[in-house]
Amino acid sequence: DTGVSQDPRHKITKRGQNVTFRCDPISEHNRLYWYRQTLGQGPEFLTYFQNEAQLEKSRLLSDRFSAERPKGSFSTLEIQRTEQGDSAMYLCASSLNRGVGEQYFGPGTRLTVT
Amino acid sequence: GIQVEQSPPDLILQEGANSTLRCNFSDSVNNLQWFHQNPWGQLINLFYIPSGTKQNGRLSATTVATERYSLLYISSSQTTDSGVYFCAVESSGGSNYKLTFGKGTLLTVNP
Repeated sequence: DTGVSQDPRHKITKRGQNVTFRCDPISEHNRLYWYRQTLGQGPEFLTYFQNEAQLEKSRLLSDRFSAERPKGSFSTLEIQRTEQGDSAMYLCASSLNRGVGEQYFGPGTRLTVT
Repeated sequence: GIQVEQSPPDLILQEGANSTLRCNFSDSVNNLQWFHQNPWGQLINLFYIPSGTKQNGRLSATTVATERYSLLYISSSQTTDSGVYFCAVESSGGSNYKLTFGKGTLLTVNP
């Protein structure tokens, strides 16, 4: 059973550029979450999908952020016109839609905006 | 929203020592998880424990849901236990299953 995977693991971009991250959840998991973690803090919730439906977005997710999960499988998180404040670790997690709702996290994508 | 407080924020131990990490939360929860974040940022699942007691090797955890706290015990600590330990909860008043994290406890185990 493979875990949650994320790509790329590291991304360095210049301010104003667009970036896209990918998350592949555990295969039988139909819930998928994105979190953001800044230095010295715990992860903070960004958005949540159940299958292909995006059911909630945090106020942290400005208009420059968009997430998709076509066909309820992998998900992408895009940040447009990046700002230095977007520098963070972006974490993806997945869980089953029944029974124990334990979330499993991927290795994260570390974004640095210069 | 639900508040999660972890203590202590920092802990330094000698190898072989025991430790207790605490997590207090402000509302009833459906889910409580303990994680260890390694130096590369990966969150490793330690326990799923909304109530009761569990043990896994040198680690054990207890959640007293009625009193809104959870404890993580590490016995005979090793240098590889170093890292940040997070408690995260899913509020029973929510509908989206999101986890709210504490700020973590930074554990350093010296040889």
